[in-house]
Amino acid sequence: SQKIEQNSEALNIQEGKTATLTCNYTNYSPAYLQWYRQDPGRGPVFLLLIRENEKEKRKERLKVTFDTTLKQSLFHITASQPADSATYLCALFSGYALNFGKGTSLLVTP
Amino acid sequence: GAVVSQHPSWVICKSGTSVKIECRSLDFQATTMFWYRQFPKQSLMLMATSNEGSKATYEQGVEKDKFLINHASLTLSTLTVTSAHPEDSSFYICSAILRGLIANTEAFFGQGTRLTVV
Repeated sequence: SQKIEQNSEALNIQEGKTATLTCNYTNYSPAYLQWYRQDPGRGPVFLLLIRENEKEKRKERLKVTFDTTLKQSLFHITASQPADSATYLCALFSGYALNFGKGTSLLVTP
Repeated sequence: GAVVSQHPSWVICKSGTSVKIECRSLDFQATTMFWYRQFPKQSLMLMATSNEGSKATYEQGVEKDKFLINHASLTLSTLTVTSAHPEDSSFYICSAILRGLIANTEAFFGQGTRLTVV
């Protein structure tokens, strides 16, 4: 069956450091991979989309890598801030809809 | 960006009653909307795909007679939880896309509805 796995353990880091979140998948052959942010009690908000032929994608302090050989994507937040504290979701297309991982909770402390 | 509005944001109902949740695309036409359910610390689970003017497509294990979906216009989809039970208590979220294939385009989500059945 198709699976999208993200670290279920919460990630706690100090303000100013780089946060790195991991997304691994099985039984997908994605042409695209997406990352979303979800705050408590809210719907997800789109952050970045990366294509299979892109090794890396950047947007401001965010960077995403996509390795289709390893079946893995890494999501980096540089110079992290307390406002970055949220749950980050990895998403892949199943054929007609987006499927999501459980998400990784990030807590950035001052 | 495109805005998806979901209403209500929270609702408490008694067991056995029905609850309707609305999802509207405010500034674009959405031929397809998606309904998800999310339990605490769990991922979003797709319940059904809602297509304007046709019947919804439900995921395996989702009771279509219990979760009624109507997509009567290009800007409105509704989810009705019928004969609600405490185990239906969850966070329900709708999503819409602007065009084409969802794989290569971002999805826009509503604010979510917290349903509590007592």
